[in-house]
Amino acid sequence: GAGVSQSPSNKVTEKGKDVELRCDPISGHTALYWYRQRLGQGLEFLIYFQGNSAPDKSGLPSDRFSAERTGESVSTLTIQRTQQEDSAVYLCASSSDLSAQYFGPGTRLTVL
Amino acid sequence: AQTVTQSQPEMSVQEAETVTLSCTYDTSESDYYLFWYKQPPSRQMILVIRQEAYKQQNATENRFSVNFQKAAKSFSLKISDSQLGDAAMYFCAYSRQGAQKLVFGQGTRLTINP
Repeated sequence: GAGVSQSPSNKVTEKGKDVELRCDPISGHTALYWYRQRLGQGLEFLIYFQGNSAPDKSGLPSDRFSAERTGESVSTLTIQRTQQEDSAVYLCASSSDLSAQYFGPGTRLTVL
Repeated sequence: AQTVTQSQPEMSVQEAETVTLSCTYDTSESDYYLFWYKQPPSRQMILVIRQEAYKQQNATENRFSVNFQKAAKSFSLKISDSQLGDAAMYFCAYSRQGAQKLVFGQGTRLTINP
């Protein structure tokens, strides 16, 4: 079946603009995660959705970051008033069995 | 807070040889999962192998196997018969039991020499 998909693949924006990143999880996966990967580093957890439960937002670095998920489907990560330090690859993952997470190809965000 | 440490920023191995990547972690939990993910230049994170902490038997997936030492909080990955396609960044990761976030190490860049 189809894996996790993300769009856009690459996004270049100017400092101060808002951006929206999209994630389509694997069908039937109830859990969805967002991570950030800065150049040459490991992944940092941002936010986690599980079914109808309140999301775990403990990894969001500032109030400029927010995310939504519609039911058990698409999620959107929004970054407002982007800063150069937001430049990174943003990875989405989904999970069905509450253990292994399956990742999408990521969105590379460049803030000029 | 849980932490994951990969002490080898880079490793290299000759094609067809065996290589071991190291990982240690810190947690006060007794039930958890450990993972190795591979990230080639395409940046897609690919699950290589996973280990449930309550299982004493080491996980194996074809040429990939782990050495899980729970008391020592060590979780190394052994790649046998290395192939050129194994070249990638390898990340060790931890999660608490039950749909919890992954905590990643800093990664080890593996180079395969032909």
